[in-house]
Amino acid sequence: DAGVTQSPTHLIKTRGQQVTLRCSPKSGHDTVSWYQQALGQGPQFIFQYYEEEERQRGNFPDRFSGHQYPNYSSELNVNALLLGDSALYLCASSLGTDLDEKLFFGSGTQLSVL
Amino acid sequence: LAKTTQPISMDSYEGQEVNITCSHNNIATNDYITWYQQFPSQGPRFIIQGYKTKVTNEVASLFIPADRKSSTLSLPRVSLSDTAVYYCLVGDGTGGYQKVTFGTGTKLQVIP
Repeated sequence: DAGVTQSPTHLIKTRGQQVTLRCSPKSGHDTVSWYQQALGQGPQFIFQYYEEEERQRGNFPDRFSGHQYPNYSSELNVNALLLGDSALYLCASSLGTDLDEKLFFGSGTQLSVL
Repeated sequence: LAKTTQPISMDSYEGQEVNITCSHNNIATNDYITWYQQFPSQGPRFIIQGYKTKVTNEVASLFIPADRKSSTLSLPRVSLSDTAVYYCLVGDGTGGYQKVTFGTGTKLQVIP
């Protein structure tokens, strides 16, 4: 049973560029949440997707956007990259949007913005 | 919004029991308390969740006093592989925790 998979594992971009990160949820899960984790900090919630719609959003600017496909996979897009966007981006899946559902995390995409 | 406070770091010898306490004075009535473990370069992994009293699973126990203003994660007989960061989460007041920032967590170092 495949867990949550994310791609790519590492990415290097320059300021002003755009990036797309991808996530495949755990088999049977229909909800995907994205988190940003800066070095030495805990993960910070970006947004959650369910039924192909953004259901909840954290305190992130509109430069961060996402998408969920009918097969429940998801993308995180970041436009106009800033140096401060350098972080580990984590995808987590769950079954439904019940906020107490156990989250299953992928290993993340390490984004470096130069 | 409920805020959690945990020790920044802890050291323990192999084979000892480790207790990590989390303070959450403003926890809402309908919020659960959830703990995650994170190894370097990996995503967090669910450990245990509870609402009140005591919960035990195959890896840990969670103790929650009657006033629910704190909770203690207990790891029995830790090994080197338990070296990780442990996060305590409570809800955002709506009964969930997914929108809540994890905080800096407790970095547990197990010493041989």
